[in-house]
Order: sequence, then C-alpha cells, then structure tokens
Amino acid sequence: AQSVTQPDIHITVSEGASLELRCNYSYGATPYLFWYVQSPGQGLQLLLKYFSGDTLVQGIKGFEAEFKRSQSSFNLRKPSVHWSDAAEYFCAVASGGGADGLTFGKGTHLIIQP
Amino acid sequence: GAVVSQHPSRVICKSGTSVKIECRSLDFQATTMFWYRQFPKQSLMLMATSNEGSKATYEQGVEKDKFLINHASLTLSTLTVTSAHPEDSSFYICSASKAASLHEQYFGPGTRLTVT
Repeated sequence: AQSVTQPDIHITVSEGASLELRCNYSYGATPYLFWYVQSPGQGLQLLLKYFSGDTLVQGIKGFEAEFKRSQSSFNLRKPSVHWSDAAEYFCAVASGGGADGLTFGKGTHLIIQP
Repeated sequence: GAVVSQHPSRVICKSGTSVKIECRSLDFQATTMFWYRQFPKQSLMLMATSNEGSKATYEQGVEKDKFLINHASLTLSTLTVTSAHPEDSSFYICSASKAASLHEQYFGPGTRLTVT
C-alpha cells in the first residue's frame, strides 16, 4: 500500500526567508505526486504535481518541488515566503493506472513570522 | 477552470438523523468523484470512489450502509450520512476528476458536519 510521510507537523519561517517542506512517499512503481495547500475555511488548492519527465516542477505562487526517486522524496520549496503563505500543506500520492483516490500525508502547518 | 461546489458548507444535525451532502462539478463533467473525511488537525482520508451510474467503491473500514453515496449524473454526487452519531462529526470533502486527466482532482470547499 502506498503511504506519504510529512515529518514536520509545524514549521515556522520568517517572512522573506526560504522554505522547504519535506515529503517522503512509499510506492512500488512511479508515483503521481502532488502538493496541495489548505487555508482555514477553504478547500484544497493544487500547488503543483509530478507525473513524469523533468524532476523539478514549477507550481503556482512561486512554489517548486523536486522529485528524487533515490530518496523517495518530493520536497516543496519556495525561495521567499510571504505572510499569505501561512496555511496547511499536504503532500499526496496517487497510484498509476487510473482514477484512484489520493493518499495524503498528515500535513505541515506553516507559520510565518513577521 | 474546474470548479467543484459542496452544499451545505455547514450542517448541524441531531444524533440518529440522516444528512445529505451534495457535491457538484460546475463547469465540467466529472467521470469520477471522491469523498474524503478530515478530522480536526488531521489529514484527509479517502472514504470512497464513485463513477457515474455505478456503485461506489468504499475504502476498508468505511461502512457503506452508513455512508450512502449516489453518483446519478456526471455533475452530481451525494453523500448521505445515515443515523448520524457524534463520532461522525467531521469535515467532509469531495473531489472530482475529468476523463481527460484522471489523476487531477478538483476539490470542493468541504462540509462541516456536527452531530449533537
């Protein structure tokens, strides 16, 4: 069975500083990987996804993520965070072959310090 | 865009009653719809997958007789929580995918269910 681990429950970053949120997955084949952001009272918004090809993917809001097969990781990065980035971030994986539900990590709560 | 709506956004019901949550894809036809459950400060857990006109496929541990899912059209799926109990209180989120991009799911804003 596939699984996703987000080892950091909370991360605090100063505004303007760089950010990296960690995500490790467990899946036998090539996974479909996603990062979503959830703001209070709002639904999930897709930041970026990796299906195949270039392992460095660019997303919305200045986010990027790098797929590293050797480390089973798909870490999310942003060079300079803004106060509006404070939210809950979820990494998710889907298996190949069809329309499967997503397996989510437990999420990382991002706090931005002024 | 691909917009998914849910109704209601919040609902409070008494223990023992049933409540229905609607999930609609507003500007596309949803080949598949998914229902997730999110407990406070926890992750989303997939409950079931439904395809239009077919019976839903439930994840292990999810009671199909308690959580009734109907996917009668390509734009509407409903989740009915039957004989609700306080432990059913949770945040229920649906998502929908298009035939052309099966792995991209578009999420609704969620429904907060409180059972008293």
